Amino acid sequence: GQNIDQPTEMTATEGAIVQINCTYQTSGFNGLFWYQQHAGEAPTFLSYNVLDGLEEKGRFSSFLSRSKGYSYLLLKELQMKDSASYLCAVSGAAGNKLTFGGGTRVLVKP
Amino acid sequence: DVKVTQSSRYLVKRTGEKVFLECVQDMDHENMFWYRQDPGLGLRLIYFSYDVKMKEKGDIPEGYSVSREKKERFSLILESASTNQTSMYLCASIRDQGYTFGSGTRLTVV
Repeated sequence: GQNIDQPTEMTATEGAIVQINCTYQTSGFNGLFWYQQHAGEAPTFLSYNVLDGLEEKGRFSSFLSRSKGYSYLLLKELQMKDSASYLCAVSGAAGNKLTFGGGTRVLVKP
Repeated sequence: DVKVTQSSRYLVKRTGEKVFLECVQDMDHENMFWYRQDPGLGLRLIYFSYDVKMKEKGDIPEGYSVSREKKERFSLILESASTNQTSMYLCASIRDQGYTFGSGTRLTVV
């Protein structure tokens, strides 16, 4: 089976850094994804990790450790528009279907 | 950019009605997916399809069926709508290694 855990909610201040952790236990592994979802909208793709290490993309970075079943999404220089839910998802052995965690709601305060 | 279009943004249906949710993608992708999203439960996979006339059950297929007569169109069918099927329904297609989601259909069953 698949099990993906991430915190439910986090609060941070504008300009700060926030790290969202994701742990997973899956029967196979083909990659880990992070999505951003604003309230009432569809999720949008942020990052994809298939090998261990850090992937940096502007203010957002994502890290993966396959041996530990662990990933994090790092949001730097937080802006008010970063207030959203962040979804961790794993692609298992069976094709391209993704299993999602419950999402982490990030609230950025002035 | 890949476009995934869901025909309705909001729907209200009565208990027992047969409901069709339509999804169309414009990039000739083979893989398409239907998820539902509920607070506290995240996104859960209902059905997916790897090709025309192909369908596979996801994690929560009960009460649903799908149709994939053409590559670009993947329909989700609620055979007899029930109040516990009130939810946000999201269709997705593969883009590179990640999904592109449609804008979602918020279905209310009364």
